[in-house]
Amino acid sequence: NAGVTQTPKFQVLKTGQSMTLQCAQDMNHNSMYWYRQDPGMGLRLIYYSASEGTTDKGEVPNGYNVSRLNKREFSLRLESAAPSQTSVYFCASRRVTGITTDTQYFGPGTRLTVL
Amino acid sequence: TQLLEQSPQFLSIQEGENLTVYCNSSSVFSSLQWYRQEPGEGPVLLVTVVTGGEVKKLKRLTFQFGDARKDSSLHITAAQPGDTGLYLCAGGRGGSYIPTFGRGTSLIVHP
Repeated sequence: NAGVTQTPKFQVLKTGQSMTLQCAQDMNHNSMYWYRQDPGMGLRLIYYSASEGTTDKGEVPNGYNVSRLNKREFSLRLESAAPSQTSVYFCASRRVTGITTDTQYFGPGTRLTVL
Repeated sequence: TQLLEQSPQFLSIQEGENLTVYCNSSSVFSSLQWYRQEPGEGPVLLVTVVTGGEVKKLKRLTFQFGDARKDSSLHITAAQPGDTGLYLCAGGRGGSYIPTFGRGTSLIVHP
């Protein structure tokens, strides 16, 4: 099992460019999440998908869009990148059983710099 | 609004010292999880506590959930350089489980 994989690992964009961050999990999990992590700010939820076919906004959704392509894949798109979107992006997945102790598994992250 | 406050934000200690990291909230959580994140990696779950007053031990790490389920602590005995990393607490509520993360405690253990 690869767990949660993310591509690319690093990316540099110019202001106004667009890109898509890819995430895939092979654990047959229902729910998937996108977070951004900035120094001193912890993990902030951008979007999540409770199950295949549904997506919902998190704490900081502005400037992002997501697609739950199938049960395995959940992509994050930046349509017009801004310097404020420079961050480390983590994808996570979780098997939902209705129990709050279900573990979230995180990918290795994508380090994005917007110039 | 930061619902989970972690302290201290930074900790730099020598190998062999003991330390405690705190995670506090004014809200009640149904579960509290602790993660460790090493540089260049994603967070990895260390433990989940669900019962008020619960204490769990993981080798040299001791985790405690407050009686009122509003706070938690992580105590490391005889810290080692391998303990270096960012420690994050995350509180869970309800069946859908969108966790609330603290901002983290960055720990450096010097040999």
